[in-house]
Amino acid sequence: GDSVTQMEGPVTLSEEAFLTINCTYTATGYPSLFWYVQYPGEGLQLLLKATKADDKGSNKGFEATYRKETTSFHLEKGSVQVSDSAVYFCALSSGGGADGLTFGKGTHLIIQP
Amino acid sequence: KAGVTQTPRYLIKTRGQQVTLSCSPISGHRSVSWYQQTPGQGLQFLFEYFSETQRNKGNFPGRFSGRQFSNSRSEMNVSTLELGDSALYLCASSATEGRTEAFFGQGTRLTVV
Repeated sequence: GDSVTQMEGPVTLSEEAFLTINCTYTATGYPSLFWYVQYPGEGLQLLLKATKADDKGSNKGFEATYRKETTSFHLEKGSVQVSDSAVYFCALSSGGGADGLTFGKGTHLIIQP
Repeated sequence: KAGVTQTPRYLIKTRGQQVTLSCSPISGHRSVSWYQQTPGQGLQFLFEYFSETQRNKGNFPGRFSGRQFSNSRSEMNVSTLELGDSALYLCASSATEGRTEAFFGQGTRLTVV
């Protein structure tokens, strides 16, 4: 079945540091890929998405590129802020009757001033 | 445009009781999915409804059920509650079925004592 693997952390960085959160996946066919962010006590917010190979999703300074050859969708940001502290989830959707979104375990990101 | 609304935000129930959670999707969205989030298991897909029909179901016991109304609002019900049902229950709405992005509500925090 489908699966998503991401580092769980916590990942601790200083403000203005470069961020990479790795995400790799296993899926049948050509899934859509997503990054969601969850702030304490809140639901999930869609951060960015990519629907086909080589697509780059971007939002709020975050970027991720759909790499079919390496089955990866790594999240990057050039300069993180304290307000980026949250849990980040990589997810995929195979569609076509598959079981909803398949999520990774989530990466807890802590940004120190 | 209003987001996904889940009610109630918090619930405390006793083992053996049943509970009903409600979700109002984004206006115009016809697909509603439910997820359970726990520290141990992460985010797990419960079921998806589209046009009042259950389209997909995750690997949960029959105590977990749901329905969708003609206005796309959805409810999920858990009968004979167990301690292990304590979790954050998240509802997500999508415009259509399949590989489109899902928008999440803030969740209902269920505690079973």
